[in-house]
Amino acid sequence: ETGVTQSPTHLIKTRGQQVTLRCSSQSGHNTVSWYQQALGQGPQFIFQYYREEENGRGNFPPRFSGLQFPNYSSELNVNALELDDSALYLCASSWAGASGDSPLHFGNGTRLTVT
Amino acid sequence: SQQGEEDPQALSIQEGENATMNCSYKTSINNLQWYRQNSGRGLVHLILIRSNEREKHSGRLRVTLDTSKKSSSLLITASRAADTASYFCAVLPIYNQGGKLIFGQGTELSVKP
Repeated sequence: ETGVTQSPTHLIKTRGQQVTLRCSSQSGHNTVSWYQQALGQGPQFIFQYYREEENGRGNFPPRFSGLQFPNYSSELNVNALELDDSALYLCASSWAGASGDSPLHFGNGTRLTVT
Repeated sequence: SQQGEEDPQALSIQEGENATMNCSYKTSINNLQWYRQNSGRGLVHLILIRSNEREKHSGRLRVTLDTSKKSSSLLITASRAADTASYFCAVLPIYNQGGKLIFGQGTELSVKP
């Protein structure tokens, strides 16, 4: 069983640019969630995708958008980057079964630095 | 905003001692989960306790949940240097907006050999 993989591991961008982060879900998982983790903080929920549609969103502006593909891989896109977007971006996959409470399996994240 | 609040923020103990971390939250929950994060890495799921459960064990881990006080504790017994990491509690609210897990700020545990 392959785990959750994210790419790239590190990225440096300039304020105002756009960035795309990628995630491959763990095999057998049909749901992917994205989290932003600032230094020294807990992860903050950005959004979740299930069956290629966004089915939940946290307090993030529309310039944060995402996609989930038929093979359950996913992308996080951020437009018009701001300095405060510098953080570790974590992707997590899970199985959305009947109980709705399966744990998340996280990748190792993409460290984004905006200068 | 983050609803989980962990206490203490940092904990330093000797190998072999027990470590206790506490978590408080504000909303009604479906379940509460604990995760561990080694520096700069992803989070690893440790244990999940549902709102109708009061205590759960997994190896050296013991989790308690008190929904009347909206609090939980994680006990790691006979700690090892390899347990050094940050530990986060996360709650799944009953309203369960798209599976949104709300994480706390974390407890940084240091276990000295």
